[in-house]
Amino acid sequence: GQNIDQPTEMTATEGAIVQINCTYQTSGFNGLFWYQQHAGEAPTFLSYNVLDGLEEKGRFSSFLSRSKGYSYLLLKELQMKDSASYLCAGMDSNYQLIWGAGTKLIIKP
Amino acid sequence: ETGVTQTPRHLVMGMTNKKSLKCEQHLGHNAMYWYKQSAKKPLELMFVYNFKEQTENNSVPSRFSPECPNSSHLFLHLHTLQPEDSALYLCASSQGDSNTGELFFGEGSRLTVL
Repeated sequence: GQNIDQPTEMTATEGAIVQINCTYQTSGFNGLFWYQQHAGEAPTFLSYNVLDGLEEKGRFSSFLSRSKGYSYLLLKELQMKDSASYLCAGMDSNYQLIWGAGTKLIIKP
Repeated sequence: ETGVTQTPRHLVMGMTNKKSLKCEQHLGHNAMYWYKQSAKKPLELMFVYNFKEQTENNSVPSRFSPECPNSSHLFLHLHTLQPEDSALYLCASSQGDSNTGELFFGEGSRLTVL
């Protein structure tokens, strides 16, 4: 079956770095997405990886290892506004998005 | 502001009621989606429309009925729902073929079925 695993909840300190891991099992692979969703708001696109390696975008970076079926989202210089849920989604060979349940990130002062 | 607007934001209905959720996108996209989001569960894709034609129906019960009159508007008609249908219903749009590329979500309609 197809599956996305990510931690349910993580806590980090303002100004620190946090890494949110995601492992995926999909039938074929057409990329890995990360979305951010603040409470009561729409999920918004953060990143898309289809090749191995690290993609950096400001304070946020996303990494992919296709051989390991593994991705992570790295958030640097954490700010209180980064408190949100982070959704990992893999795209299978039929271009269907397989979603994880999301990781709720709590930032403490 | 994502360019996708959903109304109403909150809805409470009894099991015998009929109501509709509305979604409008101002992005010129040609694909629109309905997702169900329940607490601590993955997003569940319900329906996909490409150029107004339904291309996906993921075994959704018939008490949910979608309607796409044009590429900018999407409705979800609800009737005789069950309490387990209480959830956040998210609309999304994208450019290109279904399920390719970045999705733009609305803020959702929070549905409570009594």
